[in-house]
Amino acid sequence: GIQVEQSPPDLILQEGANSTLRCNFSDSVNNLQWFHQNPWGQLINLFYIPSGTKQNGRLSATTVATERYSLLYISSSQTTDSGVYFCAVERETSGSRLTFGEGTQLTVNP
Amino acid sequence: DTEVTQTPKHLVMGMTNKKSLKCEQHMGHRAMYWYKQKAKKPPELMFVYSYEKLSINESVPSRFSPECPNSSLLNLHLHALQPEDSALYLCASSQDGGWGRTDTQYFGPGTRLTVL
Repeated sequence: GIQVEQSPPDLILQEGANSTLRCNFSDSVNNLQWFHQNPWGQLINLFYIPSGTKQNGRLSATTVATERYSLLYISSSQTTDSGVYFCAVERETSGSRLTFGEGTQLTVNP
Repeated sequence: DTEVTQTPKHLVMGMTNKKSLKCEQHMGHRAMYWYKQKAKKPPELMFVYSYEKLSINESVPSRFSPECPNSSLLNLHLHALQPEDSALYLCASSQDGGWGRTDTQYFGPGTRLTVL
């Protein structure tokens, strides 16, 4: 199956700092999504971004499909950004299967 | 409304019990999913329903039995579970992107299951 690697596995920031999370994947994909899971377990979809760049407030994401990676940028981080960030991909031949990476655990301290 | 609801929020059951998890969405999505998530691990796909038909079963043991009564509802029937089945069970829905492609997935808050 497709391999999805996220880095770093853990990240601790002070409030106001910026950060970049990375997702590498091993095969061609037709779907890539970024999710945030809060400490209570709720998964929120941040971006649907199989290619290109998108921005939503303090968050932005870029996927370079030809080089098989995606980046999630968080600017001016807030304590509410804490949680686990997952990248999930759907392989072109997998048919409706999202494969998740292991996630990046982000802690933002006040 | 981009909400997926799940009931119950928490469930404790014995290994001989039968229980059901319920998921509901009113976004008109035609694809619905069950995932299992163990602590500090990513979600793992269990089942996919597309247009109310089971399209993917990721070799899940038969003690888990999914059901899609209509396009808005998804159930997961549980019977004779094992303690290692304790996990967070997440439901999701999406527009069916066609040709086996999934669109943006929206997740419910999950049911935290403990099997004694």
